[in-house]
Amino acid sequence: DQQVKQNSPSLSVQEGRISILNCDYTNSMFDYFLWYKKYPAEGPTFLISISSIKDKNEDGRFTVFLNKSAKHLSLHIVPSQPGDSAVYFCAASETGNQFYFGTGTSLTVIP
Amino acid sequence: ETGVTQTPRHLVMGMTNKKSLKCEQHLGHNAMYWYKQSAKKPLELMFVYNFKEQTENNSVPSRFSPECPNSSHLFLHLHTLQPEDSALYLCASSHVGAGGYEQFFGPGTRLTVL
Repeated sequence: DQQVKQNSPSLSVQEGRISILNCDYTNSMFDYFLWYKKYPAEGPTFLISISSIKDKNEDGRFTVFLNKSAKHLSLHIVPSQPGDSAVYFCAASETGNQFYFGTGTSLTVIP
Repeated sequence: ETGVTQTPRHLVMGMTNKKSLKCEQHLGHNAMYWYKQSAKKPLELMFVYNFKEQTENNSVPSRFSPECPNSSHLFLHLHTLQPEDSALYLCASSHVGAGGYEQFFGPGTRLTVL
């Protein structure tokens, strides 16, 4: 059974607007969360992380929010740019060694 | 070379072949990982090596055999694979114990088993 779920396989957003990518998890023991971005023919690239002691982490245009009671995290990209078009994966871990990944959300930013 | 490199980038093999995938990290990390990514499925962790010792083997069939001769190199030896083993195989590394858990990925090897 999947422990990390990304229920939206795709998302289209106009350039300059906000992109919101969502991720849900089932294991309440997860305490470290990562977001990755993947272009075709490349490996995933680390974007931003958050630990369970925080509910928000910001890095430039990227902000990750964590709602532990809802077992939900989201990645906000603002403003969205065409170069942000990629597949975004969330991942969660209890130990920091074994991460469970979602199936990804393909983001298209329309110029 | 920087980051995590993987060779070959593409591999086509028959079910009776033996081949090996190679991964090298130039980041000074102490943990390395093999993942499998099949179409429409999440990344599946296959093996974890911490300080050259295998610490995780997620019920991977024995036709996949990992080898970690040192903390910079990781191999995945393939033998008598099945067509359903066709997938993207990704290697990653991280520095365990440094406070962060981010894993850095290589570009992957696209494997096709005929």
